Amino acid sequence: SQKIEQNSEALNIQEGKTATLTCNYTNYSPAYLQWYRQDPGRGPVFLLLIRENEKEKRKERLKVTFDTTLKQSLFHITASQPADSATYLCAFTFAGNNRKLIWGLGTSLAVNP
Amino acid sequence: NAGVMQNPRHLVRRRGQEARLRCSPMKGHSHVYWYRQLPEEGLKFMVYLQKENIIDESGMPKERFSAEFPKEGPSILRIQQVVRGDSAAYFCASSPPGLSGANVLTFGAGSRLTVL
Repeated sequence: SQKIEQNSEALNIQEGKTATLTCNYTNYSPAYLQWYRQDPGRGPVFLLLIRENEKEKRKERLKVTFDTTLKQSLFHITASQPADSATYLCAFTFAGNNRKLIWGLGTSLAVNP
Repeated sequence: NAGVMQNPRHLVRRRGQEARLRCSPMKGHSHVYWYRQLPEEGLKFMVYLQKENIIDESGMPKERFSAEFPKEGPSILRIQQVVRGDSAAYFCASSPPGLSGANVLTFGAGSRLTVL
């Protein structure tokens, strides 16, 4: 069965540095891969989407890459700020079943001032 | 333009009681999803509904749990005879009809159930 793995260890970085989070999957490549942010006591919030045939997507300080050879997506936050501290979740869907998302457990990011 | 509204935000029940969690999807959205989240387990899919139809309930426990999305009113997740293991955050999400690409979900703030 498909599995999606995110680094379970919390990531601590200094303000201003680039944070890089990893999402790995097994077996088949997803049609779409999404990244969400979740703050304590809140629901996840959609950030970025990348398609299987795309290598990279950007939105302001955020960048997502998708490498089907490595079966991996990287999520980058450049010029990180303490306000970026949150848990980041990746989720993917397959072609033919676009309604169903499969979620990673999330990686906690702490940006220290 | 209100987002996904869930209530109650916090619910405390004693073992054996019933819990009802409500979710009003975002305006214009016709698909509702319920997820459960525990600290060590991440988001677990429970059920996906459209108006008056359950589309996929593969994540729902076979007993005590049910969900509905009536023609009028919010979607309801119902847990009968709650046990301590039901304590969790329950999130509702919605998405629009007519999916042409990825299914981007809009989540509510969640309902936190505590079973004493």
